[in-house]
Amino acid sequence: AQTVTQSQPEMSVQEAETVTLSCTYDTSESDYYLFWYKQPPSRQMILVIRQEAYKQQNATENRFSVNFQKAAKSFSLKISDSQLGDAAMYFCAYRDNYGQNFVFGPGTRLSVLP
Amino acid sequence: GAGVSQTPSNKVTEKGKYVELRCDPISGHTALYWYRQSLGQGPEFLIYFQGTGAADDSGLPNDRFFAVRPEGSVSTLKIQRTERGDSAVYLCASSSQGSTSTEAFFGQGTRLTVV
Repeated sequence: AQTVTQSQPEMSVQEAETVTLSCTYDTSESDYYLFWYKQPPSRQMILVIRQEAYKQQNATENRFSVNFQKAAKSFSLKISDSQLGDAAMYFCAYRDNYGQNFVFGPGTRLSVLP
Repeated sequence: GAGVSQTPSNKVTEKGKYVELRCDPISGHTALYWYRQSLGQGPEFLIYFQGTGAADDSGLPNDRFFAVRPEGSVSTLKIQRTERGDSAVYLCASSSQGSTSTEAFFGQGTRLTVV
């Protein structure tokens, strides 16, 4: 079974600085998709960024980018120019090519300090 | 509707009672997921529907949990003989069929508290 690990239960960053959240996963599949979701106190999960495993180029979405290392099964999220609104729980998620359920990591709580 | 809607937002029930949690997915989304999120943890998969049928119910913890989606749209998660350990946020998500890269859109969840 696939598993997703996030080794940082909590992280903090100064406003306008850069922070990197770690994620590793375990799978025997070669085709799959990886996601970072943000969950603010409102509880609603919001997609931050996604990466297709067959693409070598790292995904970017404005201030958010990933470092995808397929061989190492690592998928870290970099947040640049951190803003107070970035404070939330961040979940790394895996979905295989059969398109069924998402497997989530335990999450990282990000605090942004003014 | 514009997004995934879950009702009620919060539910408090007594141990041993029966509860139903409702999920209205985004119109046209054929895939629907239920997840359970305990405090401080990531969402845990419960069940996945493709249309009206449960394509994967391997995450349901025991036979007290059951979910239906009779018309391929609204889904109801049913919990019988609730226990204090069932207290959690129950999240519903939907996605469109066809592309596995498609994100899942989540509702705001139902916080269930069993007292």
